[in-house]
Amino acid sequence: AQSVTQLDSQVPVFEEAPVELRCNYSSSVSVYLFWYVQYPNQGLQLLLKYLSGSTLVESINGFEAEFNKSQTSFHLRKPSVHISDTAEYFCAVSSSGGSNYKLTFGKGTLLTVNP
Amino acid sequence: DTGVSQDPRHKITKRGQNVTFRCDPISEHNRLYWYRQTLGQGPEFLTYFQNEAQLEKSRLLSDRFSAERPKGSFSTLEIQRTEQGDSAMYLCASKGRWDNSPLHFGNGTRLTVT
Repeated sequence: AQSVTQLDSQVPVFEEAPVELRCNYSSSVSVYLFWYVQYPNQGLQLLLKYLSGSTLVESINGFEAEFNKSQTSFHLRKPSVHISDTAEYFCAVSSSGGSNYKLTFGKGTLLTVNP
Repeated sequence: DTGVSQDPRHKITKRGQNVTFRCDPISEHNRLYWYRQTLGQGPEFLTYFQNEAQLEKSRLLSDRFSAERPKGSFSTLEIQRTEQGDSAMYLCASKGRWDNSPLHFGNGTRLTVT
């Protein structure tokens, strides 16, 4: 069985400040890792993913996440946030060796960017 | 690529009624997933299809829930004899054939049982 822990349910920050959203996972097998973002009353949009290769992955809007196997973490970071980054962020894991590719999600972190 | 489409966006029903939701996946995607998301929680896996075959069901999917994907294209999720605890956002996602293709989610159907 797999599980995901997002350590902070809410993270308030000021605009242009750096932010880190923490994610730890538990799995007995190799994994794929994902961050999804959800705006109010919308579905989830993929932000970035780690499948293999470089442990640092980046999104087109300035977010990055680093896969740390020894610490079983996949924290999300952005050096300077904008008001428009206000949303809920979900970390998710799936087994890389399975065939169903289903995702197990954390409970989410609400990022609120204040002016 | 028109994305994953879900209908309706919102549904309000009285306890005990039956409801049915529809999901149209991205056309070339062969895998389709249903998730449920309650307030303050992440999405929870309900079931998934590969083409028309339903290959896995969560224990969350009680016998009041049934999902179909008759022709391997759109899918329906039916809830019979709805209960207030069924109130949630029901999300559909689809995935392409390649291992490294991600799940693409629709905007969900928000169910409110009164």
